[in-house]
Amino acid sequence: EPEVTQTPSHQVTQMGQEVILRCVPISNHLYFYWYRQILGQKVEFLVSFYNNEISEKSEIFDDQFSVERPDGSNFTLKIRSTKLEDSAMYFCASRGDSNGEKLFFGSGTQLSVL
Amino acid sequence: AQSVTQLDSQVPVFEEAPVELRCNYSSSVSVYLFWYVQYPNQGLQLLLKYLSGSTLVKGINGFEAEFNKSQTSFHLRKPSVHISDTAEYFCAVISSGGSYIPTFGRGTSLIVHP
Repeated sequence: EPEVTQTPSHQVTQMGQEVILRCVPISNHLYFYWYRQILGQKVEFLVSFYNNEISEKSEIFDDQFSVERPDGSNFTLKIRSTKLEDSAMYFCASRGDSNGEKLFFGSGTQLSVL
Repeated sequence: AQSVTQLDSQVPVFEEAPVELRCNYSSSVSVYLFWYVQYPNQGLQLLLKYLSGSTLVKGINGFEAEFNKSQTSFHLRKPSVHISDTAEYFCAVISSGGSYIPTFGRGTSLIVHP
């Protein structure tokens, strides 16, 4: 089965630093997502991306966050100035059909902000 | 707005015993319901889904779930669990006619003991 790939699997950073989390969605997919899960809490929606622009975002996705599809294969999440509360598991997902029936998730990037 | 409640954060069970993981949802419109599983160090994988039709849905690895509209529930069951079923299980809902962005619960950790 095709896979969504996320790198790195673990990222440790100092508070205030910028981080970029990388994702390679499945090649023929059109819709891309970032979710995060703070330890012990729900998996929370951050942002969805389609046709080279953000289609929807949650209140969590403030000005510190940005997403980009710099080329035909990568989908990145940037946190400009990390805070302690940004520590979480970040999941990338993609889907190819138009009804959201099946999202394919990556294995996640565990971000630790010290 | 849609939401999902997974009442049990952790469910310990002995091997070959039956298990039920509970999921309740809230939505003002009709819904699509999903269960995802996350094995250690892996991404979320779709276990089963309810879109329409029969309320009893069978998924992979012997799991099944029943959609109960009157109780707004979508509990996951397996008659006999294996050690390999130890994982995190997430219930998710999509409200039909919306943006097809799944809302997830906090997850239930299934721990199967020998």
